[in-house]
Amino acid sequence: KAGVTQTPRYLIKTRGQQVTLSCSPISGHRSVSWYQQTPGQGLQFLFEYFSETQRNKGNFPGRFSGRQFSNSRSEMNVSTLELGDSALYLCASSLTRLAGGRYNEQFFGPGTRLTVL
Amino acid sequence: TQLLEQSPQFLSIQEGENLTVYCNSSSVFSSLQWYRQEPGEGPVLLVTVVTGGEVKKLKRLTFQFGDARKDSSLHITAAQTGDTGLYLCAGERGNTGKLIFGQGTTLQVKP
Repeated sequence: KAGVTQTPRYLIKTRGQQVTLSCSPISGHRSVSWYQQTPGQGLQFLFEYFSETQRNKGNFPGRFSGRQFSNSRSEMNVSTLELGDSALYLCASSLTRLAGGRYNEQFFGPGTRLTVL
Repeated sequence: TQLLEQSPQFLSIQEGENLTVYCNSSSVFSSLQWYRQEPGEGPVLLVTVVTGGEVKKLKRLTFQFGDARKDSSLHITAAQTGDTGLYLCAGERGNTGKLIFGQGTTLQVKP
């Protein structure tokens, strides 16, 4: 079974621009979560989508948004980029409990390394 | 305020040594997971513990969940260079669907 894929793997943008990151979950996984990872703050939860609806949200400004499509693929958008948005953005998929998943175990993709200049 | 405190943050040891990483909180978690992350990759799930006092073993790795489900530890016996990486603990409170991650412990095992 193929793992979680994320595109692109690397991205360089300038301040003020916007960016869209893409994530394809493991087949059969309907929950997709996004995380931001930085050396200073560690791994921080951005949001979770399930059945095209945002189910949970972390403490990030409205510049960070996402969506999920009917095939469970998800995209994350960051508008008006700031230098502090430079980070590794990780997507993770999981099986819901109803589908037999256990304890919200996350399966991560390799991440998208975003650099804001 | 970090809800999950990991210690130590950095650990550099020689191959063959034993080590323990701690994950502590003042909050109760319904489950706690341990992940390992290697450079350029996403975290990979190692184990999930759910019952207070539970001990799970994965080859040379031993994971323990505290009796009160507020803390956990990861013990590695006879560390190998392949154990090098970032170790992360993550907890879920209730059935919120949100995982809270610790800051991580960077482990370097030297040959």
